[in-house]
Amino acid sequence: EAEVAQSPRYKITEKSQAVAFWCDPISGHATLYWYRQILGQGPELLVQFQDESVVDDSQLPKDRFSAERLKGVDSTLKIQPAELGDSAMYLCASSLESGSGNTIYFGEGSWLTVV
Amino acid sequence: SQQGEEDPQALSIQEGENATMNCSYKTSINNLQWYRQNSGRGLVHLILIRSNEREKHSGRLRVTLDTSKKSSSLLITASRAADTASYFCAPVAGGSYIPTFGRGTSLIVHP
Repeated sequence: EAEVAQSPRYKITEKSQAVAFWCDPISGHATLYWYRQILGQGPELLVQFQDESVVDDSQLPKDRFSAERLKGVDSTLKIQPAELGDSAMYLCASSLESGSGNTIYFGEGSWLTVV
Repeated sequence: SQQGEEDPQALSIQEGENATMNCSYKTSINNLQWYRQNSGRGLVHLILIRSNEREKHSGRLRVTLDTSKKSSSLLITASRAADTASYFCAPVAGGSYIPTFGRGTSLIVHP
């Protein structure tokens, strides 16, 4: 069964350093999402792409976070500089389209610890 | 987009018992979805119920939807230790699906 691939699975970085996460959605999925999940809370949407275009990045802290999906396939989420409060799991998800009846498929997530 | 609120926040039961989780939301929806998350893993889609449906079954899962009360419930029958996970609802409004999640219900099933 096709899966959403994410890497790295775990990352430890020092504060003020840069960190990047990569996501490869299920083949053919036009919509891609990045979520952040702090321990004990639900996932919070950071950014949504439709193909290579950003649909919603209203919750993305743009002073330090950036996301791109240049060719409308895989995507990178970058944090620079990392802060202690960024420690969380970063989840990538994809769906065929952004219609309300579409199932969202999640990757296994990338755990970030900022020390 | 809107956020669902799951209740209770935590639920602890014995294997074989039924587990019921509830979800409340605030505005009109197109459909409502339930997801499961095992500890430290990604979310897995369980079931979708449309606004014109009142009940839906999938294996040991039963979901109900009451649009007049703006609430949904997820029932897991004959629970197993492997059902231990967090469960999230995602109410969906309109045609642009941006799933938003609450804190979820943490279910522990004791063997």
